[in-house]
Amino acid sequence: DQQVKQNSPSLSVQEGRISILNCDYTNSMFDYFLWYKKYPAEGPTFLISISSIKDKNEDGRFTVFLNKSAKHLSLHIVPSQPGDSAVYFCAASGNSGGSNYKLTFGKGTLLTVNP
Amino acid sequence: DTAVSQTPKYLVTQMGNDKSIKCEQNLGHDTMYWYKQDSKKFLKIMFSYNNKELIINETVPNRFSPKSPDKAHLNLHINSLELGDSAVYFCASSQGPGDGEKLFFGSGTQLSVL
Repeated sequence: DQQVKQNSPSLSVQEGRISILNCDYTNSMFDYFLWYKKYPAEGPTFLISISSIKDKNEDGRFTVFLNKSAKHLSLHIVPSQPGDSAVYFCAASGNSGGSNYKLTFGKGTLLTVNP
Repeated sequence: DTAVSQTPKYLVTQMGNDKSIKCEQNLGHDTMYWYKQDSKKFLKIMFSYNNKELIINETVPNRFSPKSPDKAHLNLHINSLELGDSAVYFCASSQGPGDGEKLFFGSGTQLSVL
């Protein structure tokens, strides 16, 4: 039962262009969403997050958009750089600041940025 | 100066053996976790400890026993290893149980059961 889905296992873009990574969720109780980035042989690192009370959050080249009615979020990277090549995990939680915090992750999307 | 370190990085063992994976964090965090990334690439939470107390236990077989001697350490002991236990195990920590967006992960332990 995949509550968080990343339907694109991989994405390839040219350096300088926009990368758009998509994520869908099924659990309406989720109210906090995160993106993690993972390089090979390393653990995931937190990238950016968004609360369900917002529809957009921006941090430098990274912007996350949330469409609650469609249960969909996306991560935009502009401009893409070769160092952005990594696996990106979408994650969601139903406890925004509560106790017993638990993240539900998607399967990840491998982004390759070509020079 | 690794924030969350886990050892070993690779673990190859025979079915039926007992093995342990160690995890230490030097961030002063109160909460630690074990996540498992299976062959389908999903990252799933197994356990969470807050100040040495178990707060999340996700229907993990009894063969898996976490141990937290202090809040900076969370070790994972696995008895009677099975083929299906082969996966990458990630340790993580956060400031508190409500600070999940600030999960800091270790680099993972690749467990292969033959």
